[in-house]
Amino acid sequence: GENVEQHPSTLSVQEGDSAVIKCTYSDSASNYFPWYKQELGKRPQLIIDIRSNVGEKKDQRIAVTLNKTAKHFSLHITETQPEDSAVYFCAARGANAGKSTFGDGTTLTVKP
Amino acid sequence: NAGVTQTPKFRILKIGQSMTLQCTQDMNHNYMYWYRQDPGMGLKLIYYSVGAGITDKGEVPNGYNVSRSTTEDFPLRLELAAPSQTSVYFCASKGGQASTEAFFGQGTRLTVV
Repeated sequence: GENVEQHPSTLSVQEGDSAVIKCTYSDSASNYFPWYKQELGKRPQLIIDIRSNVGEKKDQRIAVTLNKTAKHFSLHITETQPEDSAVYFCAARGANAGKSTFGDGTTLTVKP
Repeated sequence: NAGVTQTPKFRILKIGQSMTLQCTQDMNHNYMYWYRQDPGMGLKLIYYSVGAGITDKGEVPNGYNVSRSTTEDFPLRLELAAPSQTSVYFCASKGGQASTEAFFGQGTRLTVV
């Protein structure tokens, strides 16, 4: 089955700096890659996603890039703010659209 | 429109007890999922369903059972609770096969002592 690895597990940045979180996946048939943000004690919520026919997608301060050949995708957050502090999860979903495999998460801390 | 609703929010079980975690959604979604999230870890899929009457195992199904008699409801049953089942459980749903975003419930924090 699909295996998703996420790095780093923790990331601390200064407010205003950029943050990058990387994920690799194993199944070349995966074609949908969402990113979720989970604040402490709350439910995961989708923040951005990308399909395999697109190399990059941007939404204000967040962007996701996908390299299908290398089977990795990354989340980029620019001009970080303290409210960006949370756990971020990547996931990969394949042709069997029923199931997504999640990475283990990255705890992002933005210091004011 | 409540989205995905889970009950209870918290529960403490004794080893060997059984319980059912309830999940209901009002978005007429076909796909529903149960995940568990252990401390500091990602989401592991327990069971999922692509429609009423259809269920399938995920990555970690042992010790759990599900049913999907209606589109709205997807209860998760724990039989003979064990300490290893201490976790936060999330139910989620999404529309059709081409639908992207999965909506999560607020979670159930379960402790088995």
